[in-house]
Amino acid sequence: EAQVTQNPRYLITVTGKKLTVTCSQNMNHEYMSWYRQDPGLGLRQIYYSMNVEVTDKGDVPEGYKVSRKEKRNFPLILESPSPNQTSLYFCASSLYPAGGINEQFFGPGTRLTVL
Amino acid sequence: GENVEQHPSTLSVQEGDSAVIKCTYSDSASNYFPWYKQELGKRPQLIIDIRSNVGEKKDQRIAVTLNKTAKHFSLHITETQPEDSAVYFCAAIYNNDMRFGAGTRLTVKP
Repeated sequence: EAQVTQNPRYLITVTGKKLTVTCSQNMNHEYMSWYRQDPGLGLRQIYYSMNVEVTDKGDVPEGYKVSRKEKRNFPLILESPSPNQTSLYFCASSLYPAGGINEQFFGPGTRLTVL
Repeated sequence: GENVEQHPSTLSVQEGDSAVIKCTYSDSASNYFPWYKQELGKRPQLIIDIRSNVGEKKDQRIAVTLNKTAKHFSLHITETQPEDSAVYFCAAIYNNDMRFGAGTRLTVKP
C-alpha cells in the first residue's frame, strides 16, 4: 500500500530534550516536506527536500533540523524543544517538487507536546 | 514570499445548500492552487486543484474557480451532504514554496 508513515504518533516530552520524528514514504517520491498545524494558522511549512541531500527552509524553520540521506526517509529533529513547538506535525511527499504541480500525500500526523 | 488568506474561517450550511470558500494570494507568479479537505483527526487530502492557465475546474459536486487578475480563487460545493463537514484548506504554490490558508471549518447540518 502506497503511504507516508510517521512515528511516533503522539509524544509528550520536556523542554530541552532532543527528539526525532521519523517520516518514511514508499512511493519513490522525490519531494518531501514537514508542516506544523496550529489552530487558526493552518499548515505552515517547516522544511522541504527536493531530493536526497537537498533540503531547504520553509516558512517556519527556527528550532528544527532535517536530513535527507535516503530518498524514502525525511526525519524532523528538534535539538532543544520548547513549549512553543507544541503542535500537530505532518510529513508529506509528492512525486515532484510542489511547484511541479503534484498532489502531496500526507502522513497521519504526530501530536507533540513540550512541557 | 507568498501569503494566502482564506475566508470565512467557519461556515455552516443546511444539507443540500451550496458552500463557497474564498482565498486570495499575494504572489502573481503562483501557478498552482490545490484544495485539501481534513476530516476530524485525519490527515489533509487533496480534493481538487487548478493551474494558473485554467479559469475553472469541476469534479462532480465540487468546483474551483481562479481569477488571476484579482489573485483569488474559490471552492464551490453544491448539494452539500453531512459528510462534507470538515476543515478545508486552500494553498498557493510558487516554485517550491507552498503556503496554506488558515482553513475553513464547514459544518453541514442534516
